[in-house]
Amino acid sequence: GQNIDQPTEMTATEGAIVQINCTYQTSGFNGLFWYQQHAGEAPTFLSYNVLDGLEEKGRFSSFLSRSKGYSYLLLKELQMKDSASYLCAVRDGPGNTGKLIFGQGTTLQVKP
Amino acid sequence: KAGVTQTPRYLIKTRGQQVTLSCSPISGHRSVSWYQQTPGQGLQFLFEYFSETQRNKGNFPGRFSGRQFSNSRSEMNVSTLELGDSALYLCASSLAAGTGGLGYTFGSGTRLTVV
Repeated sequence: GQNIDQPTEMTATEGAIVQINCTYQTSGFNGLFWYQQHAGEAPTFLSYNVLDGLEEKGRFSSFLSRSKGYSYLLLKELQMKDSASYLCAVRDGPGNTGKLIFGQGTTLQVKP
Repeated sequence: KAGVTQTPRYLIKTRGQQVTLSCSPISGHRSVSWYQQTPGQGLQFLFEYFSETQRNKGNFPGRFSGRQFSNSRSEMNVSTLELGDSALYLCASSLAAGTGGLGYTFGSGTRLTVV
């Protein structure tokens, strides 16, 4: 089966660091994505990991362990505008057959 | 450049009716993928079209169908609407087929409410 789990809600304080975890069990794996989605808006791309390790991009970092079926998104120096839903998604197929399988998303609330 | 355009933004339909949603991709993008987003299920893959051909399909009933035109614009149709079809329908465009997220640009979606 296909299963991607992430916490439903998280709360953090402005200026702090927050880690959003994602575990997955999919029939295929060809990369893991993180998207940000503000209420009523389109999801926007944050990061892509296909090899194990940490990818850093400004205040955002994403980590992948393929052997553990685990990823996390790390947000540093939180800002109020980071309040949004964060979607973990796995690309399940190789080459030109891949589609995205999404988790249900984690709603992050940043408080002053 | 213009982004992905989905029309209409909001739609209210009655059970049993049918509905057609439209997605215009970014200029030059030839692949359009459709997803359904609900609070309980998150985003679920419906289908992908590339060069007017359906390349991939998710696990939705046959009431959900789509097509793509020669200018890469895509439509999806849902017939015999059910209350459970109420959702945000998102499309994503990309240059190539089957990229499964690489180079995706999402539209803002069509919010469908079935009453």
